[in-house]
Amino acid sequence: ILNVEQSPQSLHVQEGDSTNFTCSFPSSNFYALHWYRWETAKSPEALFVMTLNGDEKKKGRISATLNTKEGYSYLYIKGSQPEDSATYLCAPDQAGTALIFGKGTTLSVSS
Amino acid sequence: NAGVTQTPKFQVLKTGQSMTLQCAQDMNHNSMYWYRQDPGMGLRLIYYSASEGTTDKGEVPNGYNVSRLNKREFSLRLESAAPSQTSVYFCASKKGLAGYEQYFGPGTRLTVT
Repeated sequence: ILNVEQSPQSLHVQEGDSTNFTCSFPSSNFYALHWYRWETAKSPEALFVMTLNGDEKKKGRISATLNTKEGYSYLYIKGSQPEDSATYLCAPDQAGTALIFGKGTTLSVSS
Repeated sequence: NAGVTQTPKFQVLKTGQSMTLQCAQDMNHNSMYWYRQDPGMGLRLIYYSASEGTTDKGEVPNGYNVSRLNKREFSLRLESAAPSQTSVYFCASKKGLAGYEQYFGPGTRLTVT
């Protein structure tokens, strides 16, 4: 079973703050790294699927970077808004197996 | 496209009862998954099916069985429900095992009394 660590477990920021979270994963047998956004009472939705070391992806105010050699990824949110409040999940993708998710980082943004 | 659909949305069972959770996808995906969500535990993988005709255990398979009925449908069965199986169950699918986005169903909230 994969050991996927996400930190912090939760955080609370004010509207307009920028923030970032970390996902640590085993670097062996790496194929891709997934980030998902999960709003309360909804289903998780994919944000990014990243495959290359040094890769950086962006969607609006949210971006992510990937370091496959040391086994970590950062998710950044610039200028947080209340609608960014959600749990952010990461999952390493090892070819031939299913996604195993970390426990997530729960973000709360106050207006 | 409906995406991934799950039935029922809610269910209450008594200890020892059995039931089957249904999942279907209309995206022609090869791989399908069952997860459970518990407070503080995130999403945990129960079983998955990499392709039609195959199934494999995940992190927490005990007390569950699955059937990949065809390419579209993947069901999860509780033979003898226990209170520890009270959870929200999510079905998911993706095009293949590696490197594809995963799409989730709306979830089934199950309570076992």
